[in-house]
Amino acid sequence: QQQVKQSPQSLIVQKGGISIINCAYENTAFDYFPWYQQFPGKGPALLIAIRPDVSEKKEGRFTISFNKSAKQFSLHIMDSQPGDSATYFCAASNRGVRGGADGLTFGKGTHLIIQP
Amino acid sequence: NAGVTQTPKFQVLKTGQSMTLQCAQDMNHNSMYWYRQDPGMGLRLIYYSASEGTTDKGEVPNGYNVSRLNKREFSLRLESAAPSQTSVYFCASSEAGYSAEAFFGQGTRLTVV
Repeated sequence: QQQVKQSPQSLIVQKGGISIINCAYENTAFDYFPWYQQFPGKGPALLIAIRPDVSEKKEGRFTISFNKSAKQFSLHIMDSQPGDSATYFCAASNRGVRGGADGLTFGKGTHLIIQP
Repeated sequence: NAGVTQTPKFQVLKTGQSMTLQCAQDMNHNSMYWYRQDPGMGLRLIYYSASEGTTDKGEVPNGYNVSRLNKREFSLRLESAAPSQTSVYFCASSEAGYSAEAFFGQGTRLTVV
């Protein structure tokens, strides 16, 4: 049972455009939703995260939109740059249980290519 | 500040061989994790250790064992490697807490032939 569904699997965006990646979750106990960015040969690194008590969080060109009733959240990358080309993973955790110490549930990832 | 260090970076095993993947963190984090990453599957949790002295199974624990040696170190052992265990393995650590970030190592690419 896949608890976090991510789409699309791959995405090509022109430089300067908006990249949008979507995720949906099933477990209503999830209360922490991070996005990770991974470059080839590297480990994932936290990009931005949101809690369900807010509907949007913005950090620079990166924005998370969160819809609690629909159990969906998305990552928007504004003014996409070639350096943003990477694999992006959404994830979810129940921080109410031991501070989330039982780990993250990841989506399957989106391979993003920004064409110059 | 090295963060999370994994050894080795690459390994080729024959079916049935055993090996231990090592992980150490220098951030004084209580929690440590082992994930595997397979193409099109995202990262899946193998085992985790919420704190020193405790370990628990994750989503895909079969064929693996772990040891939380101390607060810094968390090892993953394959007792009898199988081709299905060909994967990239990531160790991660985090502090407990609502917005705590998980930090990942660089990964170990394991091939079982």
